[in-house]
Parts: sequence; structure tokens; C-alpha cells
Amino acid sequence: NAGVTQTPKFQVLKTGQSMTLQCAQDMNHNSMYWYRQDPGMGLRLIYYSASEGTTDKGEVPNGYNVSRLNKREFSLRLESAAPSQTSVYFCASSEHGMDTEAFFGQGTRLTVV
Amino acid sequence: DAKTTQPPSMDCAEGRAANLPCNHSTISGNEYVYWYRQIHSQGPQYIIHGLKNNETNEMASLIITEDRKSSTLILPHATLRDTAVYYCIVRGSGGSNYKLTFGKGTLLTVNP
Repeated sequence: NAGVTQTPKFQVLKTGQSMTLQCAQDMNHNSMYWYRQDPGMGLRLIYYSASEGTTDKGEVPNGYNVSRLNKREFSLRLESAAPSQTSVYFCASSEHGMDTEAFFGQGTRLTVV
Repeated sequence: DAKTTQPPSMDCAEGRAANLPCNHSTISGNEYVYWYRQIHSQGPQYIIHGLKNNETNEMASLIITEDRKSSTLILPHATLRDTAVYYCIVRGSGGSNYKLTFGKGTLLTVNP
């Protein structure tokens, strides 16, 4: 089982460039999430999708957009990258509900110069 | 969402039990306590979760106080590979009950 797969694993962008981070899960989960983690910090929720067709803002949504393409895929888009968006981005998925564990991808390390 | 408080760091000797505390004094009656860990900037890994009763799995035990205001994660025989940041999370209730909110966690260092 692949679990949660993120692409790319590493990316360097110039300020103002755009890009889309891809995330796919093969566990048939309803809920998916995007987090960012800055050095020495905990994870902060950017956006989440409780189910296919719905998305909601998390703690730090500014500068990002998301698309829940289908049940498997949840993408994160940076329209105009800024150095403050240099971070490690994690995607996760879980079943809907409070009694379920979340599975995380291995992260995308993004540097904006 | 209920907030959690954890010590920023702890040390443990290899082979000994590691007891990681978490305070969640504002937890609601239907909120679960989850524990995750993150080893060296990898994706977080689920460890265990519970509601009221103590729980045990192959990785750890979770002890929740009777008033549910605090809990302890126990790694019974810590190894060097258990060195990681451990996150205690209370899962949100109501319309956002599927959301996970991470704090800064506890950096557990297992020493040889």
C-alpha cells in the first residue's frame, strides 16, 4: 500500500512563481488535510477537506488555494510564492469522524528564493 | 478545540519506560485524545488514541485520568529509535470534529 503520496518531494521556486503540490491517497478516506511546518515549529493546518466536494480554511490559509479533485486527490496551489512560504508541507488523510487515525505523507520541502 | 500543554523536552535512558505527560483541562466529553510522533522531520506517525479508558497497543500505552483533564503516553522500553517529537492532540468537536490541531509537542531524547 502506498498510503499518502506527495509530489514533488523537493522544490525551489523564485518569488512570484506559482506551483501546485499534489497529494493522493489510496485508502478511500473521506477527509484530507494540508499542513505546513516551519523549522522548530509544530504543524499548522492550512486547509482541509472533510469530504469530496468540500474544503475549509485552517489556521494559515492566506496565500494558498486548494482543490479536492476527487476522493483520492487533494492539491495545494501557491499562486504567487513568497519567501515566507518556505516550509515543509505535509498532506494527510483520514476517515471522517473523531475515532479515526490520520495518515501522513512524507512531505514536500519547498524553498522560495 | 481543547488546548493541550506538554513539556518542551524530556530525556529517557534506553531500555527504561518513557512517560510523556499531557494536560488537556478543557477537554469536552466527546473529544478523543490522540498521540502522534514525528521522527526527524518525517511525516507524523500515529501512535494511539483514547476517549476514557486506558488503551494499549504494540507501540505504547495511554493512561487517561478519571476526570480526563490529563493523560500520559508510556513507551514501556524506550529505544534510540524512539527519539522524536511527540504530539498530544485533542480532536475537535462539533462541525470540525475531523480536524487535527498540532501544538509544539515534546522532544523526547532517548540516551544510550
